[in-house]
Amino acid sequence: DVKVTQSSRYLVKRTGEKVFLECVQDMDHENMFWYRQDPGLGLRLIYFSYDVKMKEKGDIPEGYSVSREKKERFSLILESASTNQTSMYLCASTAQGANEKLFFGSGTQLSVL
Amino acid sequence: GQSLEQPSEVTAVEGAIVQINCTYQTSGFYGLSWYQQHDGGAPTFLSYNALDGLEETGRFSSFLSRSDSYGYLLLQELQMKDSASYFCAVKGDKIIFGKGTRLHILP
Repeated sequence: DVKVTQSSRYLVKRTGEKVFLECVQDMDHENMFWYRQDPGLGLRLIYFSYDVKMKEKGDIPEGYSVSREKKERFSLILESASTNQTSMYLCASTAQGANEKLFFGSGTQLSVL
Repeated sequence: GQSLEQPSEVTAVEGAIVQINCTYQTSGFYGLSWYQQHDGGAPTFLSYNALDGLEETGRFSSFLSRSDSYGYLLLQELQMKDSASYFCAVKGDKIIFGKGTRLHILP
C-alpha cells in the first residue's frame, strides 16, 4: 500500500517563526498536494505539484510556499507563522493519470501561539 | 471559480439507507470522488465517477449526473462504524473538496 508520511503529528510554534512541514511518499507518485483542514471549512487546497521543481497555487496560498526538490518529498513552508495558520495540515499524493484517488498522510496539527 | 455544496450533517438509523448529496460548480470537470474520514483519522478514498451513472462498491454506491452538476453517495445497511465525515471532491484543473457531511448513526 502507498505510504504518505508527514514528519510530525503535533507541532507548536510561535508567531513569526519559519515553519517547515515535511511530506514523503514511497510509491513514486508524480502528484503531491497540501491541504489544510479546519472545522466547518473542509479541506482547502494550499499548493500542489505535478512534477519535481514544479508547483501550482491552490485556493489559499497566501502565507505559504512549497518546495519539491525530489519526487518523493513535498515540503510546505510557513515563512512567518501567524495564529490564523493554526490548523490540521494534510499532505496527499497520487499517480499521474489517477488523480481521482488521493492517498493522505495522517496529518500535522500545527498550533501557532 | 470552483465550489461544492453538501449538507453539513445527516442522521440515520443503523441498518437503514442514507444518501449524501453533492452539487458542484467548477471550471473544467473530469470526475467526482468521495472520501470518508473518521475522527482523528486521515481521509480515505471511497469512489470515483467520471461518467454519468451509478458505481457500486459493496454497501457503498456513488452516482453522477454531469448535466446537472450533481452527485450522491449512497450508503446501505448502515453500521455504527460508518459514523464519520464524508467529503465529495471534484477533479477539475485542481482537486477541490466540499466542506464535508457529518453522518450520525442511531442504534
